[in-house]
Amino acid sequence: GQSLEQPSEVTAVEGAIVQINCTYQTSGFYGLSWYQQHDGGAPTFLSYNGLDGLEETGRFSSFLSRSDSYGYLLLQELQMKDSASYFCAVRENYGQNFVFGPGTRLSVLP
Amino acid sequence: DADVTQTPRNRITKTGKRIMLECSQTKGHDRMYWYRQDPGLGLRLIYYSFDVKDINKGEISDGYSVSRQAQAKFSLSLESAIPNQTALYFCATSDPSWVNTGELFFGEGSRLTVL
Repeated sequence: GQSLEQPSEVTAVEGAIVQINCTYQTSGFYGLSWYQQHDGGAPTFLSYNGLDGLEETGRFSSFLSRSDSYGYLLLQELQMKDSASYFCAVRENYGQNFVFGPGTRLSVLP
Repeated sequence: DADVTQTPRNRITKTGKRIMLECSQTKGHDRMYWYRQDPGLGLRLIYYSFDVKDINKGEISDGYSVSRQAQAKFSLSLESAIPNQTALYFCATSDPSWVNTGELFFGEGSRLTVL
């Protein structure tokens, strides 16, 4: 079966850098995505890695190592509005469906 | 208007009742999904559909059924609701896999409470 692991909570201060790790076990791995969800809201897409390496989108970067079944989301210059839950999601079964991790709740302190 | 619309947004019902959650989309995507979210468990896949004639079970399909009435519409039914189906339900769409993106487009969610 498939499984994803992420830390349940992370706390950081404004302006800092934080890294949220994700390890996975799955079949037919196709890619790793990251989503942000604010309380009461819907998940919104942040980043996708289909190949090994780093993808950068503004203050957010995402990394994938397929040989290690590992990825991370890096958030730089943290802002209060970044306080949210962050989910990694594996696109598996050769792209057929998406399986989500349990989520990491990020709290940004002033 | 939202690209992916769910109705109802909130529903309270009683054990044993039949409930339908509806999802419609204007993105023109063939692929549609229903997820359930519980605190600390992330989003778990209930059913997914790649076109009108294609329905697939996800991780937690027991107690649920779906109908793909048209490319733009995908409904989730609870034939006889039970309290442990109390959760936040999300509909989502995506491009086909040959478009190399990992993006799901989510509706705003339907909060269901079963008493």
